[in-house]
Amino acid sequence: DGGITQSPKYLFRKEGQNVTLSCEQNLNHDAMYWYRQDPGQGLRLIYYSQIVNDFQKGDIAEGYSVSREKKESFPLTVTSAQKNPTAFYLCASSPDSNNQPQHFGDGTRLSIL
Amino acid sequence: AQSVTQLGSHVSVSEGALVLLRCNYSSSVPPYLFWYVQYPNQGLQLLLKYTTGATLVKGINGFEAEFKKSETSFHLTKPSAHMSDAAEYFCAVSGGYQKVTFGTGTKLQVIP
Repeated sequence: DGGITQSPKYLFRKEGQNVTLSCEQNLNHDAMYWYRQDPGQGLRLIYYSQIVNDFQKGDIAEGYSVSREKKESFPLTVTSAQKNPTAFYLCASSPDSNNQPQHFGDGTRLSIL
Repeated sequence: AQSVTQLGSHVSVSEGALVLLRCNYSSSVPPYLFWYVQYPNQGLQLLLKYTTGATLVKGINGFEAEFKKSETSFHLTKPSAHMSDAAEYFCAVSGGYQKVTFGTGTKLQVIP
């Protein structure tokens, strides 16, 4: 079955450490997205990519970085510059970036040790 | 610019009762509207979408929503709540070249 795989399910970060969240899709979608979810705040867009080797900042990109070297993969790195990284991170994809419904992975929950 | 307002962060209904989750949107272009459902520790799943055409949209699990342009609303309904409907529901809007904007979510509790 086609879908989006996020790993790991749970991740712990030490102070000053960078961590990378994996997102892989086999839906042949062009567009991919990273969201951060905090209780009561809905989903906030971190980064998105409309095509391989191109990506744009979303609303809360500070302290995060991404790459899009392959169509199937869109990893997110939470850097030490992100002072409040504890959250639920969701990766999504859509056939293109224009008004299409998004397909979501099951998320990664990041916590600080 | 676009925005979504979901009225009520928590809604409780009795099993078998009508479910009504409210969503109002703002958009400067014709909107595309979506409802998603999220179960604990999972991603979002598309319930239904409105693009153009028929204003009453039917989705999965017996849910439906009606697009009312004059009221800028897209409320989600289900005639009879089931225990398995307990989850968080998100309304979302997109349009033109703008990225999708999600509401802050409504948690639905179903009381036996």
